[in-house]
Amino acid sequence: KNQVEQSPQSLIILEGKNCTLQCNYTVSPFSNLRWYKQDTGRGPVSLTIMTFSENTKSNGRYTATLDADTKQSSLHITASQLSDSASYICVVSAGNAGNMLTFGGGTRLMVKP
Amino acid sequence: AAGVIQSPRHLIKEKRETATLKCYPIPRHDTVYWYQQGPGQDPQFLISFYEKMQSDKGSIPDRFSAQQFSDYHSELNMSSLELGDSALYFCASSLGGGDPTDTQYFGPGTRLTVL
Repeated sequence: KNQVEQSPQSLIILEGKNCTLQCNYTVSPFSNLRWYKQDTGRGPVSLTIMTFSENTKSNGRYTATLDADTKQSSLHITASQLSDSASYICVVSAGNAGNMLTFGGGTRLMVKP
Repeated sequence: AAGVIQSPRHLIKEKRETATLKCYPIPRHDTVYWYQQGPGQDPQFLISFYEKMQSDKGSIPDRFSAQQFSDYHSELNMSSLELGDSALYFCASSLGGGDPTDTQYFGPGTRLTVL
């Protein structure tokens, strides 16, 4: 069964600090890994997408890494802002089409002033 | 910029009733996906359509059906509703019909409550 596990489940940091979120997956055949930001009650918003051959991708203050050998990914947030408070979800695509997404449980991030 | 539109945003039904959720993708997007997110749970993929044809099928119950119309909007039809169907239903759209790195753009969701 395809699984995506994230840690920590929740995290509180002070504004301006950096943080790193982790994602481990067992998905086969692997197609791509995505990080989404989801505000409460709203649809997920894509941050990064990485295929097997990519090991890092940045989107502003967000930098995602991928180690396809160990099946691990991380999302690093630099100089956090209050608006970064949200759930961050690791999503892995499997299969030839790669469009069927398996969602992780998410990390709930709270940035405090 | 135009986003994915879902209607209604909220829906309350009773057990054994039927419900229809609608999704209007971003203009020029040809692929639509449906997800179900139960309270405190991860979104689960239900079904997707590309160019009006079903492209992938996930954990969609037999009581549910969906289709994509000629204008690319999609409808999720749910019959014999059960209490466990109460959830947030997301629709997402993408452009590219199968490109594995396609970005899926999610709508705001329809919150279905079954009483």
